[in-house]
Amino acid sequence: EAEVAQSPRYKITEKSQAVAFWCDPISGHATLYWYRQILGQGPELLVQFQDESVVDDSQLPKDRFSAERLKGVDSTLKIQPAELGDSAMYLCASSPVGGSYEQYFGPGTRLTVT
Amino acid sequence: KQEVTQIPAALSVPEGENLVLNCSFTDSAIYNLQWFRQDPGKGLTSLLLIQSSQREQTSGRLNASLDKSSGRSTLYIAASQPGDSATYLCASSGSARQLTFGSGTQLTVLP
Repeated sequence: EAEVAQSPRYKITEKSQAVAFWCDPISGHATLYWYRQILGQGPELLVQFQDESVVDDSQLPKDRFSAERLKGVDSTLKIQPAELGDSAMYLCASSPVGGSYEQYFGPGTRLTVT
Repeated sequence: KQEVTQIPAALSVPEGENLVLNCSFTDSAIYNLQWFRQDPGKGLTSLLLIQSSQREQTSGRLNASLDKSSGRSTLYIAASQPGDSATYLCASSGSARQLTFGSGTQLTVLP
């Protein structure tokens, strides 16, 4: 069964350092999402891509976060510089265009900023 | 802006009980509603998706219902097992297909 891949699974970094997360969606899924989940809360959308284009990045802290999906397949989310408050689970999801638009999630990257 | 609320925040039941998890949303103009399971430190596993034109979906011991007019969805788990222990999240999808999540219900099934 096809799955969304994410790496790394865990990342510990010091504040002010740069960190990057990678996501490979299910093959053929045109829409890709990055969510952030703070412990004890539900995930919140950071950015949504349709192919290589950004559909919505209104909740992305653009002074320190960036996201790209250059060839419309895999995606990278970067934080520079990391802050203590960025400690969270970063989840990637993908969905096909059409049908139910069901979203499929990857295993996530747990980020700890010290 | 859509707001999704889940009650209760935590629930503990003995094995074998039937139980209901509740989800409410403020904007009834949803495209679909998904229920997810999340184990500690893990990603989300989709359990059931109900499209806006549907009233319920069933998978094994799970049944999810949707009442758009009242802004409510419920997840019914029959004959609960210790392996059902996890956090259950509901999320609504609007016209942009983005998910708005509740904070989840942490379920513990005691053997």
